[in-house]
Amino acid sequence: QVQLQESGPGLVKPSETLSLTCTVSGGSITHNYWSWIRQPPGKGLEWIGYIYYSGSNNYNPSLKSRVTISVDTSKNQFSLRLNSVTAADTALYYCAGSGSYFWFDLWGQGTLVTVSS
Amino acid sequence: EIVLTQSPGTLSLSPGERATLSCRASPSVTSGSLAWYQQKLGQAPRLLIYDASSRATGIPDRFSGSGSGTDFTLSISRLEPEDFVVYYCQQYGSSPTTFGQGTRLEIK
Repeated sequence: QVQLQESGPGLVKPSETLSLTCTVSGGSITHNYWSWIRQPPGKGLEWIGYIYYSGSNNYNPSLKSRVTISVDTSKNQFSLRLNSVTAADTALYYCAGSGSYFWFDLWGQGTLVTVSS
Repeated sequence: EIVLTQSPGTLSLSPGERATLSCRASPSVTSGSLAWYQQKLGQAPRLLIYDASSRATGIPDRFSGSGSGTDFTLSISRLEPEDFVVYYCQQYGSSPTTFGQGTRLEIK
């Protein structure tokens, strides 16, 4: 059974870079598309972007200028970098997996990232 | 991008009753590319329905989805106590994929 686990700092200072990693276990990262999705406290879900094991990616236009998602197939991991963060980027960040039709049937437990000085 | 509007924001019902949750899209969703998720407090969303009406693996048959174009519905027959949580719709027919703002199902 495929499992996802997010890791990374829980606190980031304003204007700095948020960096998270998702480790895929129980299956190969060469299957599925891998996304990052976030949820501000008490609010709804926002898709950030996806990456395929080949490196092809797609980002939400609302975040595209600040986002980079990368993949490391040797470690079965993919990562998120979000630059120039503000308090508005405070959220629960989930990594998720999908097929090519982008409904998400695999989810990590989520990790809370707070942007504060 | 496609905006999904869920209604009602909160639905108050009793266990055993039937719930009907709405998700309206603007503009329309192509090819019935709509999913529904259930999110319990402190947990990640769980896929219930994809392609508007197909149940995900392990989802009880009291959950059903319908609709096309701009209007979609999630129905839950015979509500169980564990069903009183938050539900989201998601369209994946156009990029970026987007989610509705959620409907909270509460015990009356």
